[in-house]
Amino acid sequence: EAQVTQNPRYLITVTGKKLTVTCSQNMNHEYMSWYRQDPGLGLRQIYYSMNVEVTDKGDVPEGYKVSRKEKRNFPLILESPSPNQTSLYFCASSLGAGVTNTEAFFGQGTRLTVV
Amino acid sequence: AQKITQTQPGMFVQEKEAVTLDCTYDTSDPSYGLFWYKQPSSGEMIFLIYQGSYDQQNATEGRYSLNFQKARKSANLVISASQLGDSAMYFCAMRREKLVFGQGTRLTINP
Repeated sequence: EAQVTQNPRYLITVTGKKLTVTCSQNMNHEYMSWYRQDPGLGLRQIYYSMNVEVTDKGDVPEGYKVSRKEKRNFPLILESPSPNQTSLYFCASSLGAGVTNTEAFFGQGTRLTVV
Repeated sequence: AQKITQTQPGMFVQEKEAVTLDCTYDTSDPSYGLFWYKQPSSGEMIFLIYQGSYDQQNATEGRYSLNFQKARKSANLVISASQLGDSAMYFCAMRREKLVFGQGTRLTINP
């Protein structure tokens, strides 16, 4: 089954404790991205990757890191989480960066709370 | 720069009525794709419909249609014969290199 898998689904952590949210897709997609969803703000892109070893900042990259060492995986790293990073996070993948006619497939979401 | 605007934070509609969700976009690129996604209360993102910038006809998928007016840069979603299960958040998105989303519209269908 074609899917994007995020883990964990729910996470409560303390300020400053490094964490990683994993994302894996099994569709051989080139383009992967991370979004955060906050009430009234919609989905805002954090980082995106057009292919292996190619990553770029989205609209709200501060406080986040990513890596794309393999095509299928795109982990999101919070080196020192703060309460303003409490949010619902989505990973998404799609066929290619320059291909406009393919929808994005989303993971189930990760609800992160930083206390 | 790409930008998507959804001006309706919330809408309330009677069951079986048609509903139009507004979306305007801004881009200088001639080639782009427009998408609508549904997010029910369970949280997942469900792809509904796609419209390409060069498509001559409006896209349709079952009860969903996209009213594409290129000159006005609008891509409104029309849901015909609304159902209680249509209650959800709806997001408009545009793709050139990045996939950019609007703020969303919360649709509530009343019985």
